[in-house]
Amino acid sequence: EAGVVQSPRYKIIEKKQPVAFWCNPISGHNTLYWYRQNLGQGPELLIRYENEEAVDDSQLPKDRFSAERLKGVDSTLKIQPAELGDSAVYLCASSLATGAISYNEQFFGPGTRLTVL
Amino acid sequence: GQNIDQPTEMTATEGAIVQINCTYQTSGFNGLFWYQQHAGEAPTFLSYNVLDGLEEKGRFSSFLSRSKGYSYLLLKELQMKDSASYLCAVSNFNKFYFGSGTKLNVKP
Repeated sequence: EAGVVQSPRYKIIEKKQPVAFWCNPISGHNTLYWYRQNLGQGPELLIRYENEEAVDDSQLPKDRFSAERLKGVDSTLKIQPAELGDSAVYLCASSLATGAISYNEQFFGPGTRLTVL
Repeated sequence: GQNIDQPTEMTATEGAIVQINCTYQTSGFNGLFWYQQHAGEAPTFLSYNVLDGLEEKGRFSSFLSRSKGYSYLLLKELQMKDSASYLCAVSNFNKFYFGSGTKLNVKP
């Protein structure tokens, strides 16, 4: 079974340019997460989807970041315009949420390493 | 707010045992996860605790005390390939809060 797929793996852009990341979760996983991970830190949640609904976007900088998961499967995260401080690894993860959630392991994709010059 | 604390870095010798501690203060709790993350790679699942006590999985064990807000990951018979960062994460239903990770250096 294929894992979480992300592209691109690496991206280098100049500040003020737009950038987009794509994620395809594990088949059947209804919950999708976008995280940002800075060097030496743990992942920080940006947005969480349950199916096509963004149920938690409280940590998403909405002035420049946007995300969508139109059909409840794959998702795109966009930054426009990018700033120097956006340099980080952007991780996508998915999980299969059940009604009585007590165990909901996340599976992570390989991440996109963004460098803003 | 959510607060999860882990030591920043630890060093241990190949073949030895190491314990990585994690303390947490979160507004909700469903379970505690440990992930391993090699440099430049995605986190991979190691263990999960929802009830107090010890969960053993081969060379790795994880312990939880909910009343103390405390967990540890125990790695036995250390191998060089265990050099990685170890992330403690608390889940509150579908929300996950990660610590900053503990970088483990295994030396020969």
